[in-house]
Amino acid sequence: DQQVKQNSPSLSVQEGRISILNCDYTNSMFDYFLWYKKYPAEGPTFLISISSIKDKNEDGRFTVFLNKSAKHLSLHIVPSQPGDSAVYFCAASNRMYSGGGADGLTFGKGTHLIIQP
Amino acid sequence: DAGVIQSPRHEVTEMGQEVTLRCKPISGHDYLFWYRQTMMRGLELLIYFNNNVPIDDSGMPEDRFSAKMPNASFSTLKIQPSEPRDSAVYFCASSPRGREQFFGPGTRLTVL
Repeated sequence: DQQVKQNSPSLSVQEGRISILNCDYTNSMFDYFLWYKKYPAEGPTFLISISSIKDKNEDGRFTVFLNKSAKHLSLHIVPSQPGDSAVYFCAASNRMYSGGGADGLTFGKGTHLIIQP
Repeated sequence: DAGVIQSPRHEVTEMGQEVTLRCKPISGHDYLFWYRQTMMRGLELLIYFNNNVPIDDSGMPEDRFSAKMPNASFSTLKIQPSEPRDSAVYFCASSPRGREQFFGPGTRLTVL
């Protein structure tokens, strides 16, 4: 059973507009969430994260929103740029389980974001 | 820093052969993770180490898979014997305590 779900395999957005990528999770023990970006033939690279004690975290053009009651998070990219075209993975962990240390991540299957010129 | 280094980048082998994948984590990172990516299952955690000690190997699919971390700067993932269903991209990642994970470029394994 998938604990982290990204229901949109792909998303096409015009350059300059807002990209919104969605992620749902089922495990209520998850307390830390991350977004990774992946280009072909490369490893995932960390974008932004959020702890379950927050509902929003912002870093430049990237903002992550967390709705714990709905077990839903989203990544907003504003404005979208051609270099943002990549596969985006949502990931979750239970840092409390690991005593606050790093823990293995549970990933969604990714959303392929395509920025149209 | 050079980032996480994985070798080889590509491996093609025949069913039944032993395969060894290698990883050098970022210096100073206490945690090392091995992940596998397939079309069907996506990215899934296989095993992770803290200070060279295996902490959770529940994701290792079968006894044919084994992983070691003999020192802080080197880890191996071994498959013996390999099978076609092991074909995937294998990623190694490292992390300082309590922070995000940094991934290597991956090893694309093809078992014929």
